[in-house]
Amino acid sequence: QKEVEQDPGPLSVPEGAIVSLNCTYSNSAFQYFMWYRQYSRKGPELLMYTYSSGNKEDGRFTAQVDKSSKYISLFIRDSQPSDSATYLCAMISRSFGSARQLTFGSGTQLTVLP
Amino acid sequence: SAVISQKPSRDICQRGTSLTIQCQVDSQVTMMFWYRQQPGQSLTLIATANQGSEATYESGFVIDKFPISRPNLTFSTLTVSNMSPEDSSIYLCSVEVLANYGYTFGSGTRLTVV
Repeated sequence: QKEVEQDPGPLSVPEGAIVSLNCTYSNSAFQYFMWYRQYSRKGPELLMYTYSSGNKEDGRFTAQVDKSSKYISLFIRDSQPSDSATYLCAMISRSFGSARQLTFGSGTQLTVLP
Repeated sequence: SAVISQKPSRDICQRGTSLTIQCQVDSQVTMMFWYRQQPGQSLTLIATANQGSEATYESGFVIDKFPISRPNLTFSTLTVSNMSPEDSSIYLCSVEVLANYGYTFGSGTRLTVV
């Protein structure tokens, strides 16, 4: 079993739709949760970072963490064609500065149709 | 946040040859990370490069195949040695950005081995 499982997609939605992207994880030691967006032929860029259970909002994006269920989500409101990209969840078990790599989900490819 | 310049952006190489990928950061960072992203897959950590010490390799990756240099706090190189078509992938460098509680990635090197 992979440490991080991500809904594989691909996902295709009309412009303006609400998008839900989801990951589950098995390692209780994961403390920090991130969402990255990767456009074609580009490196991943950090979208959202969360630590505690609950919701964190940034513009049209909301990151949700439920540590009791080991489940994280990214919601995109009023989706735009420019949101079309691959979204990767990522997690880390140790605090920053004490070393250690991110564990990534497999990514969900999202297409927002105009 | 840190800005990473990665070179080359892409290359097509003959099997049996080697390619060195460069990663330049616009600020001093303690740790640099090298990832591989195979077609349609997520990111897999190859190694962590600390300045002044040997790189730490993840399971399945060895120094003879992926030698890494880290001569200073802003620069690192990854060499893919004795390449085969199975090495065709995107190679990414990454640094930890404490201020953003995240990791910044270069734009990647798309390698095709023929």
